[in-house]
Amino acid sequence: DGGITQSPKYLFRKEGQNVTLSCEQNLNHDAMYWYRQDPGQGLRLIYYSQIVNDFQKGDIAEGYSVSREKKESFPLTVTSAQKNPTAFYLCASSPLAGGAYEQYFGPGTRLTVT
Amino acid sequence: GQQVMQIPQYQHVQEGEDFTTYCNSSTTLSNIQWYKQRPGGHPVFLIQLVKSGEVKKQKRLTFQFGEAKKNSSLHITATQTTDVGTYFCAGTNAGNMLTFGGGTRLMVKP
Repeated sequence: DGGITQSPKYLFRKEGQNVTLSCEQNLNHDAMYWYRQDPGQGLRLIYYSQIVNDFQKGDIAEGYSVSREKKESFPLTVTSAQKNPTAFYLCASSPLAGGAYEQYFGPGTRLTVT
Repeated sequence: GQQVMQIPQYQHVQEGEDFTTYCNSSTTLSNIQWYKQRPGGHPVFLIQLVKSGEVKKQKRLTFQFGEAKKNSSLHITATQTTDVGTYFCAGTNAGNMLTFGGGTRLMVKP
């Protein structure tokens, strides 16, 4: 059963701690993305990766970091430098990078930082 | 940078009424995509429009891409409770990533 998995579904952290969100896909897609969604708002691009060992900053990369050591995996670290980390985080993938391709989304991780 | 605006932000309709959401870009788009996100869920791709003036239909949903490729609309005929959710448009400049609109949240009263 192909798709994208994100874990955990809910995550709670204390302020000042780094936290890593998992994203795995078995669709054999080259491109992967991380978005942030705040209540009642659209999706904002944090980082994207076109291929293994490559990634690019999106519109709101400050306070976040990523790695792409394997094609299947694109973890996102929310660092203590991110001023408002509480949000719904969505991972997505597409066959190739770019807006011409349909994006497949994971179920998301809801992060709460207090 | 590229901005994509969607209106309205919210819409309440009675079941059976029609619904339309509008998407406007500050720049000309090479294509536009539409996604639906059910409450508590994740966005799911609905359709992509590429050509100027293009119209596509999926059952009760009609999607249009403007002649200037700067706006788009999604129209739902005779809404049902299963249509509840947030509808997002997302546009692309040539070679760039998708930029999502803020979404229109549709609520349907049975």
